[in-house]
Amino acid sequence: LAKTTQPISMDSYEGQEVNITCSHNNIATNDYITWYQQFPSQGPRFIIQGYKTKVTNEVASLFIPADRKSSTLSLPRVSLSDTAVYYCLVGDPVNTNAGKSTFGDGTTLTVKP
Amino acid sequence: DGGITQSPKYLFRKEGQNVTLSCEQNLNHDAMYWYRQDPGQGLRLIYYSQIVNDFQKGDIAEGYSVSREKKESFPLTVTSAQKNPTAFYLCASLRPTDYGYTFGSGTRLTVV
Repeated sequence: LAKTTQPISMDSYEGQEVNITCSHNNIATNDYITWYQQFPSQGPRFIIQGYKTKVTNEVASLFIPADRKSSTLSLPRVSLSDTAVYYCLVGDPVNTNAGKSTFGDGTTLTVKP
Repeated sequence: DGGITQSPKYLFRKEGQNVTLSCEQNLNHDAMYWYRQDPGQGLRLIYYSQIVNDFQKGDIAEGYSVSREKKESFPLTVTSAQKNPTAFYLCASLRPTDYGYTFGSGTRLTVV
């Protein structure tokens, strides 16, 4: 099972682009990469998912290099409301179904005025 | 709107008591999960159920019990055998389309 490593915390200012990188050196062929956002006293919320190259949706982009040993969540023009903990999960559908896609400690992003 | 409903939002338990946390979903998802989150930490899996009438232990199942009699419901009982139950408990289901989790808003349990 792929182990993930993220920075513990990051600071940014309103309007800046924020990039959070997750390392997953032993990612398997069938693994997908999924990012979640969690606000205090709430459940995590699915942000974006990808397998390779680049994925973009209305809130974020996910960049995955060819070797897939890392991934970068990019948040454009952050606001104060983006202050949250961000988790990177790696897993295939079978292991995810069996609860084996484990959440690490995440990255606490603090956006300042 | 479809989603996961957890109740109560806050729960206080006296030592030695069992308490049951409710989790209901109207998403028609087969798989459901219970996680525990301690301050400043990630989520740890307590129990999961991939189908009705079946469930499996997660990484920290000791002192907890679950049932899955209906697809929509996956209640968690925190028993007196759980020595440190004060935590934030999260229930989730798994979307079969993209295997992403949908979480409830959580129950904060405090032992008094």
